[in-house]
Amino acid sequence: TQLLEQSPQFLSIQEGENLTVYCNSSSVFSSLQWYRQEPGEGPVLLVTVVTGGEVKKLKRLTFQFGDARKDSSLHITAAQPGDTGLYLCAEVGDTPLVFGKGTRLSVIA
Amino acid sequence: GAGVSQTPSNKVTEKGKYVELRCDPISGHTALYWYRQSLGQGPEFLIYFQGTGAADDSGLPNDRFFAVRPEGSVSTLKIQRTERGDSAVYLCASSLSSSGSYEQFFGPGTRLTVL
Repeated sequence: TQLLEQSPQFLSIQEGENLTVYCNSSSVFSSLQWYRQEPGEGPVLLVTVVTGGEVKKLKRLTFQFGDARKDSSLHITAAQPGDTGLYLCAEVGDTPLVFGKGTRLSVIA
Repeated sequence: GAGVSQTPSNKVTEKGKYVELRCDPISGHTALYWYRQSLGQGPEFLIYFQGTGAADDSGLPNDRFFAVRPEGSVSTLKIQRTERGDSAVYLCASSLSSSGSYEQFFGPGTRLTVL
């Protein structure tokens, strides 16, 4: 089981700004998932990335998987208050997901 | 549609007491997972079931923690002699199968507070 590091830990931005959050590991990911968790709710899957160099887009969210599959980023364009939440990355390999500590994002109107 | 439900949503108990946390998975999902999320942390794996059997309980912190899924549907996480350090949100998730390619759907969690 590898350790996933997410950065930054906290991020507070104004509505309309762009931002990027990161997920890194010292070891190669088999595949990686990004989740968003809102207060009082469980995590909700946003995307799964599998192939090194892969880029996936989900509306204003762009997910990249590093060529060496040891890092990933999530970029949000023109953030909105509805984007507020805890963004978690998780390694998908053996059945139990291994999560990072998350980036807590606050988008202020 | 019916998602994963967990009861109670909040549980406050005193140190040393016994608690049971319940999870109702999505109908037809054979795999069920329990995670624990402490303040400022991501979810940490506790145990998962494939059908009625515990396929991996390596995440249970000690023998005060136990979980069952007798009929392959509802699961109960049981904690004996609760300690203040057990305070956390306990999340349940289910998926169609235990293969890593299947999405896990999470419930809203039970917030446990041990006084």
